Amino acid sequence: EAGVTQFPSHSVIEKGQTVTLRCDPISGHDNLYWYRRVMGKEIKFLLHFVKESKQDESGMPNNRFLAERTGGTYSTLKVQPAELEDSGVYFCASSHPRTGGGNEQFFGPGTRLTVL
Amino acid sequence: AQSVTQLGSHVSVSEGALVLLRCNYSSSVPPYLFWYVQYPNQGLQLLLKYTSAATLVKGINGFEAEFKKSETSFHLTKPSAHMSDAAEYFCAVSDLNDMRFGAGTRLTVKP
Repeated sequence: EAGVTQFPSHSVIEKGQTVTLRCDPISGHDNLYWYRRVMGKEIKFLLHFVKESKQDESGMPNNRFLAERTGGTYSTLKVQPAELEDSGVYFCASSHPRTGGGNEQFFGPGTRLTVL
Repeated sequence: AQSVTQLGSHVSVSEGALVLLRCNYSSSVPPYLFWYVQYPNQGLQLLLKYTSAATLVKGINGFEAEFKKSETSFHLTKPSAHMSDAAEYFCAVSDLNDMRFGAGTRLTVKP
């Protein structure tokens, strides 16, 4: 079974540009999460999809971030325009709602975003 | 609101020595607790999880953690460190769906 994949693995852009990150969850996983880790700090929750619906987007930092999950399969996270403080590693995770208690999340390798 | 505190951003042990990584949590509901490990250039991998069954949880690679409600702790231990254990370790707390992570502890293993 393929794991969670993320593309690209690295992205270097200039301040003011736009970047789109992609996440492909494990097939059949309805739950999809985005997280961000900035400068060695804690991994912070951004948002949670259940299928194509946003269940919780309380962690999205501001309106420069837009996440979509059309069709309930892969998801994209767009940053427009990017700012210096957006640099960090963006993780995607997915889980199956019937996994049971504890709801283990399976993580992708992350996308390292550098904004210059 | 849930939160996790990991004491010590860096821990260094000698090969063969005990590994102890500390985690304290805060949760308004009975928590699910997790330890994840991240090896260089890889994603987070689940080491073990507590889901209210046994308080002593055994995970992969010889790691285990004990849930202590009175201390709100979920410390990770391994009796004998191996060089391959060098990585970053994250403690996390979850309710039914949302997960919150600690800041991570980087473990260095000296030969």
